Amino acid sequence: AQSVTQLDSQVPVFEEAPVELRCNYSSSVSVYLFWYVQYPNQGLQLLLKYLSGSTLVESINGFEAEFNKSQTSFHLRKPSVHISDTAEYFCAVSEVYGNKLVFGAGTILRVKS
Amino acid sequence: GAGVSQTPSNKVTEKGKYVELRCDPISGHTALYWYRQSLGQGPEFLIYFQGTGAADDSGLPNDRFFAVRPEGSVSTLKIQRTERGDSAVYLCASSLNAREQYGYTFGSGTRLTVV
Repeated sequence: AQSVTQLDSQVPVFEEAPVELRCNYSSSVSVYLFWYVQYPNQGLQLLLKYLSGSTLVESINGFEAEFNKSQTSFHLRKPSVHISDTAEYFCAVSEVYGNKLVFGAGTILRVKS
Repeated sequence: GAGVSQTPSNKVTEKGKYVELRCDPISGHTALYWYRQSLGQGPEFLIYFQGTGAADDSGLPNDRFFAVRPEGSVSTLKIQRTERGDSAVYLCASSLNAREQYGYTFGSGTRLTVV
């Protein structure tokens, strides 16, 4: 079985500052890793995913995450955040060729002007 | 359709009543998933369909919960004898097939409140 720990329930940050949202996972088998974002009053959207290959993956809106197998982490980072990045971010894991996602509890990113 | 559609968006029901929640996946998506998101938590897996059959229902909490997908498209999640603890947002997702790498598309969810 897999589990996901998101270490911060809320992260307040000023606009244009860098941010890191932490995610650690536990699994006895190989996994795929995901970050989903939920904007206020909207559904979950896939932000980025790691399946194989390069351990650094990027999204179209400037976020990146790095898969670190030795530390079982998949932290999400952005060098300069915008007000519009305010949302709840969920880290998730699935077994390779598995059929379900296991989510963390989420981190609320609040970007302040 | 363009996205995953869930109806109703909100449902308030009395304790003990029966409810049905509907999910209309993206056309052509063979895999369909139900998740439940309680307040302050991440989504939790309930059940997964590949085509018409429930390939994995290990997340259904008890026998009051049941889901069907009779024609391999629309799915209905059915909850009998609702309890206040069933209050949550019920999310449906679909994907082209069962391999995770294609990513899910989630619907906006049905917020169920049991009073």
